[in-house]
Amino acid sequence: DQQVKQNSPSLSVQEGRISILNCDYTNSMFDYFLWYKKYPAEGPTFLISISSIKDKNEDGRFTVFLNKSAKHLSLHIVPSQPGDSAVYFCAALSGYALNFGKGTSLLVTP
Amino acid sequence: DADVTQTPRNRITKTGKRIMLECSQTKGHDRMYWYRQDPGLGLRLIYYSFDVKDINKGEISDGYSVSRQAQAKFSLSLESAIPNQTALYFCATSDSRGPMGEKLFFGSGTQLSVL
Repeated sequence: DQQVKQNSPSLSVQEGRISILNCDYTNSMFDYFLWYKKYPAEGPTFLISISSIKDKNEDGRFTVFLNKSAKHLSLHIVPSQPGDSAVYFCAALSGYALNFGKGTSLLVTP
Repeated sequence: DADVTQTPRNRITKTGKRIMLECSQTKGHDRMYWYRQDPGLGLRLIYYSFDVKDINKGEISDGYSVSRQAQAKFSLSLESAIPNQTALYFCATSDSRGPMGEKLFFGSGTQLSVL
């Protein structure tokens, strides 16, 4: 059973607006959460992460929020740019390796 | 040059054939991984290796084997390929867990089609 869930397969946002990508997880033992971004014909690249002891981490236009009681995290991109159009994977770490969600395809329109 | 290199980039093969996918890295990382990506299923871990003498199965290792020939090389083999192994395969590396968690560096992927 999938422990990391991204329930929105796709999201379309206008340039300049906020993009919010959501992720839910079931395993309370996860101690790190990471977001990866993937362009077509390329491997995923690391975007931002957050430790389970924090509730927010910010890096430029990207902010990740963690709500441990709800087992939910979200990635905010502000302002969204056309170059942000990609597939975003949420991943969670417990023990030896990352568990990935199915991904959300973000399209930022001009 | 890419830090994590996968060869080949694309491969078409027939059911029952033996296939090897290769991965090499110049990042000097100890940890290497093989993932597969299927449409609608995300990335799933096949095998991982924390050093040359350490090989471990991931969640979907059946039908696959690996070899860690050196710190920089980690190959994935399909002994007898079957159509449901058609997928995009990624090799990844990491240098151990740091303050960012297990930050992985991925290759560009190998698209494998089994007919």
